[in-house]
Amino acid sequence: DVKVTQSSRYLVKRTGEKVFLECVQDMDHENMFWYRQDPGLGLRLIYFSYDVKMKEKGDIPEGYSVSREKKERFSLILESASTNQTSMYLCASSLSGSNDEQFFGPGTRLTVL
Amino acid sequence: QKEVEQNSGPLSVPEGAIASLNCTYSDRVSQSFFWYRQYSGKSPELIMSIYSNGDKEDGRFTAQLNKASQYVSLLIRDSQPSDSATYLCAVSPGGSYIPTFGRGTSLIVHP
Repeated sequence: DVKVTQSSRYLVKRTGEKVFLECVQDMDHENMFWYRQDPGLGLRLIYFSYDVKMKEKGDIPEGYSVSREKKERFSLILESASTNQTSMYLCASSLSGSNDEQFFGPGTRLTVL
Repeated sequence: QKEVEQNSGPLSVPEGAIASLNCTYSDRVSQSFFWYRQYSGKSPELIMSIYSNGDKEDGRFTAQLNKASQYVSLLIRDSQPSDSATYLCAVSPGGSYIPTFGRGTSLIVHP
């Protein structure tokens, strides 16, 4: 079974802190994604990556950056956390093509105080 | 802009009934369609995928696709309380691995 893991289930940070969220998948998937999910707004794509060191902006990249140094690992970075970044963050991966489903990690509930 | 629309619900059905969840999409070149189930506090998991017009059945679940009318639906037969969750519809255009998600429909199955 594909497994996508995220570094933390719950995280509490203070405004202005630098925050790292890590995601690891174990099935040699090409594509990796970071979403945030907020009540009433659904899943919103922050960044995605289709290969090592390759990254593309999603719908809401402002305030975030990403890193993909190894195929299995995709990190989301909040350079200076703000309260409006309090959210559920979900990482996902997919094999390669448009017919391939996404597999999601368990999510990280981030609270910025 | 690509849009995927779902009724937010909640859709409430009695145990044993058929639950019908609907999704419409705006991008005519969409080729891949997915239904994910998300329990409260958990992450989405795939239930069904469908790529061609018609019905696709898997156990109690049936996905229906009509590309001409640009809708995809999910039927859950013999609904159980354990089916209570939010159901997300996702649509990918041909040649793209990036799906657009709907905001989900909340389903409540009451005993």
